[in-house]
Amino acid sequence: GAVVSQHPSRVICKSGTSVKIECRSLDFQATTMFWYRQFPKKSLMLMATSNEGSKATYEQGVEKDKFLINHASLTLSTLTVTSAHPEDSSFYICSARDAGTSGRRGSYEQYFGPGTRLTVT
Amino acid sequence: GQQLNQSPQSMFIQEGEDVSMNCTSSSIFNTWLWYKQDPGEGPVLLIALYKAGELTSNGRLTAQFGITRKDSFLNISASIPSDVGIYFCAGRPNYGGSQGNLIFGKGTKLSVKP
Repeated sequence: GAVVSQHPSRVICKSGTSVKIECRSLDFQATTMFWYRQFPKKSLMLMATSNEGSKATYEQGVEKDKFLINHASLTLSTLTVTSAHPEDSSFYICSARDAGTSGRRGSYEQYFGPGTRLTVT
Repeated sequence: GQQLNQSPQSMFIQEGEDVSMNCTSSSIFNTWLWYKQDPGEGPVLLIALYKAGELTSNGRLTAQFGITRKDSFLNISASIPSDVGIYFCAGRPNYGGSQGNLIFGKGTKLSVKP
C-alpha cells in the first residue's frame, strides 16, 4: 500500500517552454500533497504544500507564478514549471499524506513518488 | 527557521558492520521519520516514531525517538551492500504553524568501504 507515482520520470525541454509533472496516489486518498526540489547530493527542499480543492501554500522564495500547482482530486496533484530556464533543471519529488489516517497514528507519514528529472536546455 | 542536524554526513561500511546515525533538533518534535533514498529515486519510508522513548524495528533497522523529543537515532545491524544509499531523518515540530509539514535532515550517505 501507500504507493505514489510520478509522471514523467524524466523530461528534457527547451528554455521558455512549460512542463507539467503529475503526482498520483495510487491506493489511497491524499488531501495533502507536497512538492519538493532536490539538487545533487542535497536534501529535499519543500517548495509547496498542495491541498485538495484549495490553493497551494508556497514556501518562502518559491515563485507561485512560475511553479503552478493544481490539486484537483484526492489522488492527483500537478506541478507546472512555466517558462522553464536551465536553472530550473532539478529533481522534483512529490509526496502524499494518507487522508484515511487523519487524526490517527500515521497521519503525518509522507509517501514519496519516484521523482522527475527535469533538464532544461 | 527550524533545522535538523543529521550526523554523520557520510560513512563507509563494510559488510557485516553495524551502522548508527542520528538527528538532533533545537526544539521539541512530535514525530520522527527515517527515509532511505537510492540514486535517482524518491525517498522510501523506513520507520515512523510517534512517542518519546519509542523504539521500533524494521528488519535489521532499529530507530528510537529520544526521551527529550529533540533527537532520534537509526541503527542498521549487520549491514549488507544494498544498504548503501542516503538516509534522511525527518521530523514534525511541535508548533502549530508547521501545518504538519516535515523538516528534513541533510542526509547520511552510506557507501561501501573500498
